[in-house]
Amino acid sequence: QKEVEQDPGPLSVPEGAIVSLNCTYSNSAFQYFMWYRQYSRKGPELLMYTYSSGNKEDGRFTAQVDKSSKYISLFIRDSQPSDSATYLCATYTGGFKTIFGAGTRLFVKA
Amino acid sequence: DSGVTQTPKHLITATGQRVTLRCSPRSGDLSVYWYQQSLDQGLQFLIQYYNGEERAKGNILERFSAQQFPDLHSELNLSSLELGDSALYFCASSVGSSGYTGELFFGEGSRLTVL
Repeated sequence: QKEVEQDPGPLSVPEGAIVSLNCTYSNSAFQYFMWYRQYSRKGPELLMYTYSSGNKEDGRFTAQVDKSSKYISLFIRDSQPSDSATYLCATYTGGFKTIFGAGTRLFVKA
Repeated sequence: DSGVTQTPKHLITATGQRVTLRCSPRSGDLSVYWYQQSLDQGLQFLIQYYNGEERAKGNILERFSAQQFPDLHSELNLSSLELGDSALYFCASSVGSSGYTGELFFGEGSRLTVL
């Protein structure tokens, strides 16, 4: 079993839709959770960062962590064509090793 | 711009050959990480160096090796290349050990094609 599981998609939505991206993880010791965004031919960049359970909002983006079910989510409101990218969830528990999900490819159609 | 520089951006070589990928971390970052990204495997952690010393090892093949130099730049050496080694190789850097929070700053990657 992979430590972080993520559906690779692709996910295609119309502009303005609410997007929900999800990951599950296996190790209950994971405490830090991140979402990275990767545009085509670019390196991943940190989008959202949360610690432990709860929600974090930043503009159109909301990251949610449910430690009881080992489930992490990223919601994108009013999605735009510029949001088209691969979104990778990631977690870290220590030891300087960040573990990534496979990434979900998102296409937002104008 | 993340501040992490990787060279070369693209590399095409033949099976059995050896290549070296180079990475310069962000100014002030002591840790360097190497990741391999292929279509079917996602982003796979290879190895991490902190201030010149190896700190963590992931799924790195024995044909691959890395090092971090005193000026903190790092090199990833890939030898006896096989077709399956074709992938994007990313370097990332982060703050020193006391400030590590899991956030990584990635370069734009080196795309390796083995023919």
